[in-house]
Amino acid sequence: AQTVTQSQPEMSVQEAETVTLSCTYDTSENNYYLFWYKQPPSRQMILVIRQEAYKQQNATENRFSVNFQKAAKSFSLKISDSQLGDTAMYFCACTGANSKLTFGKGITLSVRP
Amino acid sequence: GAGVSQTPSNKVTEKGKYVELRCDPISGHTALYWYRQSLGQGPEFLIYFQGTGAADDSGLPNDRFFAVRPEGSVSTLKIQRTERGDSAVYLCASSLTRTLNTGELFFGEGSRLTVL
Repeated sequence: AQTVTQSQPEMSVQEAETVTLSCTYDTSENNYYLFWYKQPPSRQMILVIRQEAYKQQNATENRFSVNFQKAAKSFSLKISDSQLGDTAMYFCACTGANSKLTFGKGITLSVRP
Repeated sequence: GAGVSQTPSNKVTEKGKYVELRCDPISGHTALYWYRQSLGQGPEFLIYFQGTGAADDSGLPNDRFFAVRPEGSVSTLKIQRTERGDSAVYLCASSLTRTLNTGELFFGEGSRLTVL
């Protein structure tokens, strides 16, 4: 079983600035994956970035990068050069051998012009 | 199709009525998931299909909820005797089997169910 905790309900950032979204998790799996999904008002969940737990190197996708601290079970998302289109809800999620994604409660990110 | 398609986009019903929500996954995706997202919460797992069979239905809240996928493609989530607490967005996602454990799920836009 997995649990995912996102303790910040909302954050705001100025356009072009950098913002970090926090996430902690707990799992009994030895091999698991961690994700950040974006959900705009259209409701469609879009995969932002993925991290394989057995890889020490932090994943990066263009302006998005993660800080994966396995011992601390922490998985934060950094968004650089924030854009207005980044305004959305962001969900941290975890999956293991059971093939089910477990999501956190999400955080509402607002990018100010 | 190009993406996961869900119908209806919005459904308003009265307490006690029967509801069906449809999901058309990406062609060739053998894995299909249903999630429920209540207001202000993250999606919660309901059921997972591998082909035609329900591989894991441990997330279904009670026996009023049932889902089928008779031909291994389109799936229907069925809710009997709806209650106000069933009001939520129901999300469907699909995946290629080979990427199952890597979590590369493709989501639809969801069906918003409102029970009055």
